[in-house]
Amino acid sequence: DTGVSQNPRHKITKRGQNVTFRCDPISEHNRLYWYRQTLGQGPEFLTYFQNEAQLEKSRLLSDRFSAERPKGSFSTLEIQRTEQGDSAMYLCASSSTTGTGRVYEQYFGPGTRLTVT
Amino acid sequence: ELKVEQNPLFLSMQEGKNYTIYCNYSTTSDRLYWYRQDPGKSLESLFVLLSNGAVKQEGRLMASLDTKARLSTLHITAAVHDLSATYFCAVDGEKLTFGTGTRLTIIP
Repeated sequence: DTGVSQNPRHKITKRGQNVTFRCDPISEHNRLYWYRQTLGQGPEFLTYFQNEAQLEKSRLLSDRFSAERPKGSFSTLEIQRTEQGDSAMYLCASSSTTGTGRVYEQYFGPGTRLTVT
Repeated sequence: ELKVEQNPLFLSMQEGKNYTIYCNYSTTSDRLYWYRQDPGKSLESLFVLLSNGAVKQEGRLMASLDTKARLSTLHITAAVHDLSATYFCAVDGEKLTFGTGTRLTIIP
């Protein structure tokens, strides 16, 4: 399977604990995006990378959230001191860009569902 | 700030009927996407609309884009139960901005 993969698929944690999620994009894609989706809402953009550079972060991404893509391949999203409001589906997507910067379609992974108790 | 609105938010249809979901967005964009999401699942890409006047069809679904009106429609023809899902439109800048979603339920 050459699609976007995410691990773990489900995570239950207690409030105050730290969690880390991993996303492996489609191998030739240079862009990687993180979105968050709460129940009954559309996905909301969190941050994105082009290769290893983090190009934009949403205001939704508080200081407790950090994302990395150290070698321009897989990415991790860490949430420190989790709160109940962090409970959501965290979606990763990847895409490629042309030499002129045109961005192609984003392909989504299966998501990681986080439950903070 | 780009805003994307969908209506209706909830739609209950009888099998065999036709209906349209509307997606309005607030700033200029020449790319719009439609996704389907089943409960507890991720997003499945349905259509990519890349220019004004673009129309795409797949089975009982047809999507169109009017960039001047900043409007896209997703038309459902002769609905069947398998189409029950939540449908999102999303507008493309450097990142996707999603609409609120339309939860579609097809009733036998």
